[in-house]
Amino acid sequence: LAKTTQPISMDSYEGQEVNITCSHNNIATNDYITWYQQFPSQGPRFIIQGYKTKVTNEVASLFIPADRKSSTLSLPRVSLSDTAVYYCLVGARDDKIIFGKGTRLHILP
Amino acid sequence: DAGITQSPRHKVTETGTPVTLRCHQTENHRYMYWYRQDPGHGLRLIHYSYGVKDTDKGEVSDGYSVSRSKTEDFLLTLESATSSQTSVYFCAISESGRGSQETQYFGPGTRLLVL
Repeated sequence: LAKTTQPISMDSYEGQEVNITCSHNNIATNDYITWYQQFPSQGPRFIIQGYKTKVTNEVASLFIPADRKSSTLSLPRVSLSDTAVYYCLVGARDDKIIFGKGTRLHILP
Repeated sequence: DAGITQSPRHKVTETGTPVTLRCHQTENHRYMYWYRQDPGHGLRLIHYSYGVKDTDKGEVSDGYSVSRSKTEDFLLTLESATSSQTSVYFCAISESGRGSQETQYFGPGTRLLVL
């Protein structure tokens, strides 16, 4: 199972673009990279998933360099409602995904 | 949002009593999961199911049992609740169970306090 490392916490301001980087040096060939978002008192919610290069949806973009040893979740023009914990998941153990401690993102007015 | 409900949403119980949490889905997904979330530990998998009557243990299964008699319902039972089982419990579902490629959809959670 690939070990992931992401910042414990980040602060940003409304209207800014926020980039959260996750490193996963021992990612396996068939591993996908998935990000979940968790608001206080709610369950995690799938944001985006990718294998290589760039993926974009209505919520975020995911940038994955060619060596796939890291990935960056990009949230454009954040608002206060983007305050949440963001989890980077890579690979699975016995086919089960593993959640780490995530990054606590705090958006300031 | 995926149709997942959990009941009860909040429960206070006493040590030694049995507790059953229910997860109900309307998506007809094959896989269902129970997680617990505690400060400093993140989300940890307790048990999961890959079909009716097919279940298996996760990483923190001691003290918990599960049952799945219908596709839509997955029950988590604490046979004799202990204070260490005070936690927030999340149910999740997925279509494929395909490891890192799958997407899991989570319920709203149940807050359990064991006194």
